[in-house]
Amino acid sequence: KQEVTQIPAALSVPEGENLVLNCSFTDSAIYNLQWFRQDPGKGLTSLLLIQSSQREQTSGRLNASLDKSSGRSTLYIAASQPGDSATYLCAVRLETSGSRLTFGEGTQLTVNP
Amino acid sequence: GAGVSQTPSNKVTEKGKYVELRCDPISGHTALYWYRQSLGQGPEFLIYFQGTGAADDSGLPNDRFFAVRPEGSVSTLKIQRTERGDSAVYLCASSLSRRSYNEQFFGPGTRLTVL
Repeated sequence: KQEVTQIPAALSVPEGENLVLNCSFTDSAIYNLQWFRQDPGKGLTSLLLIQSSQREQTSGRLNASLDKSSGRSTLYIAASQPGDSATYLCAVRLETSGSRLTFGEGTQLTVNP
Repeated sequence: GAGVSQTPSNKVTEKGKYVELRCDPISGHTALYWYRQSLGQGPEFLIYFQGTGAADDSGLPNDRFFAVRPEGSVSTLKIQRTERGDSAVYLCASSLSRRSYNEQFFGPGTRLTVL
């Protein structure tokens, strides 16, 4: 069974700091990996989608990398802002499980002004 | 264009009652997914539709849960004889097709509370 783990569970940083969120998965046979943001009481906002053949994706201050063979992905946030405060979730889509996404438990990020 | 919408946003019911949760996917999206998220956890897969048919319902926890998508657009998740353990946020997502590279776009969720 695919397991997705996110470390750390919570992170508090001062504004302006660069930071890295980690995601690991046990089954490397994935189609893709997706990073989401979730604000309190809200749904999920898709941030980046990395296909299994790709190494990284960038959007603005966000950069996500994927090392499929080692079962790891990182989300890098540059020059963090208080508005980045949210829970960040990673999810993988397995080659063997059809279209479902398997999620980690998330990293709760707080950026202090 | 409009994103995925879900109604109601909040639902409070008593144990043993029947509830229906509605999802309107993004127009033109043929794939629709239901997930359930408990407090402090990541979402867990329930069921996936491709068009009108349930392509994968292996995540439904038991036979009290059922979902339909009769016209290939709006979907309804139905829960019979609700239990307190059913309390969670129910999330709906849609994607353009079932192709592996398609992003899933999520709605705001329905928060279900069973008293």
